[in-house]
Amino acid sequence: DQQVKQNSPSLSVQEGRISILNCDYTNSMFDYFLWYKKYPAEGPTFLISISSIKDKNEDGRFTVFLNKSAKHLSLHIVPSQPGDSAVYFCAASGNSGGSNYKLTFGKGTLLTVNP
Amino acid sequence: ETGVTQSPTHLIKTRGQQVTLRCSSQSGHNTVSWYQQALGQGPQFIFQYYREEENGRGNFPPRFSGLQFPNYSSELNVNALELDDSALYLCASSPGTPGTASPLHFGNGTRLTVT
Repeated sequence: DQQVKQNSPSLSVQEGRISILNCDYTNSMFDYFLWYKKYPAEGPTFLISISSIKDKNEDGRFTVFLNKSAKHLSLHIVPSQPGDSAVYFCAASGNSGGSNYKLTFGKGTLLTVNP
Repeated sequence: ETGVTQSPTHLIKTRGQQVTLRCSSQSGHNTVSWYQQALGQGPQFIFQYYREEENGRGNFPPRFSGLQFPNYSSELNVNALELDDSALYLCASSPGTPGTASPLHFGNGTRLTVT
């Protein structure tokens, strides 16, 4: 039972363009959402998060949008850079677990940014 | 540099054996979690420790056990290894108490292969 779904296993974009990574969830108890980036042979690195009381959070080139009614969130990267090429994981926690308790991860999306 | 160090990086064990994986967190990181990442999947929550007490557990059998020590190190023990235990095991720590907005910092993981 996949509670966090990333339906696109891979995404390829040109350098300088926008990358949009999508994530859907089914558990209505989730109230905190995070994006992690993972390079090969390294652990996941925290990128950006959003709580359910917001619908947008921005940090530099990265923006996360949350649509609670659709149980959908997306990560926008503008402009995309070759160094952004990595696997991106969407994660969620519930019951006021914040950003560090019982995270449920999606399967990830491999982003490739072409020069 | 994540500040979370895991050892060993790779390990090969035989079915039925026992294994201990180790993790060293940054000073002050009282919350430590362990995740299992099977090939092609996202990380899956095993359990979390806070101030040396288990603080929550995912859907893993009792043969998965852990310890957290006062010096910010921790262990994951797996008894009676099965072939399906082959995975990347990730340790993650946080300076915040469980349920806060302080995100998890992951180590690079231990790749366990069970033959």
